[in-house]
Amino acid sequence: DAGVIQSPRHEVTEMGQEVTLRCKPISGHNSLFWYRQTMMRGLELLIYFNNNVPIDDSGMPEDRFSAKMPNASFSTLKIQPSEPRDSAVYFCASSLDAGLAYTFGSGTRLTVV
Amino acid sequence: GESVGLHLPTLSVQEGDNSIINCAYSNSASDYFIWYKQESGKGPQFIIDIRSNMDKRQGQRVTVLLNKTVKHLSLQIAATQPGDSAVYFCAEKAGANSKLTFGKGITLSVRP
Repeated sequence: DAGVIQSPRHEVTEMGQEVTLRCKPISGHNSLFWYRQTMMRGLELLIYFNNNVPIDDSGMPEDRFSAKMPNASFSTLKIQPSEPRDSAVYFCASSLDAGLAYTFGSGTRLTVV
Repeated sequence: GESVGLHLPTLSVQEGDNSIINCAYSNSASDYFIWYKQESGKGPQFIIDIRSNMDKRQGQRVTVLLNKTVKHLSLQIAATQPGDSAVYFCAEKAGANSKLTFGKGITLSVRP
């Protein structure tokens, strides 16, 4: 089992550019979560999907952030336009059920300059 | 202006000693709890979980204790090793379809 796969591992972009983060959950898991981790705020849930449907996006900071899950094996988190305050590590996690333990990916470290 | 970072509490232990990491939770309806370990540069990794119908669960070198009366969760690590140095998070959920809520994290530092 390859685990949750995220790409890219690192992303450096200029302010105003569009950024797309990608996630492949564990096969068979039906819940997928996007988290953001910063020193200021710790680990924050941005959005989660159940069976490819967004269930709770209350953590999405603003309209510049959007997430999609077109199928059970792929999800994207997009920031457009990016700002320096978006710099953080973004984690994707998946689970068999929203109520069970999550498996996290290795994260994408985003730096917006 | 200068930003203020999230200063995680730190527990420093001597290699070989036992470690106890504590977590207080606030939701009395929480029925499932998990401890995660996060090493530098990696994502949080599942360590052990416990349901509210239990008060103790043991794994390999780790034990989780749950006291529902005072809403307290602890992680005990036996014979702490340098590889145990990491940030530890407790997480809770309340109800079958609810999501996990993570605590702020505690840094465990193991002295050689």
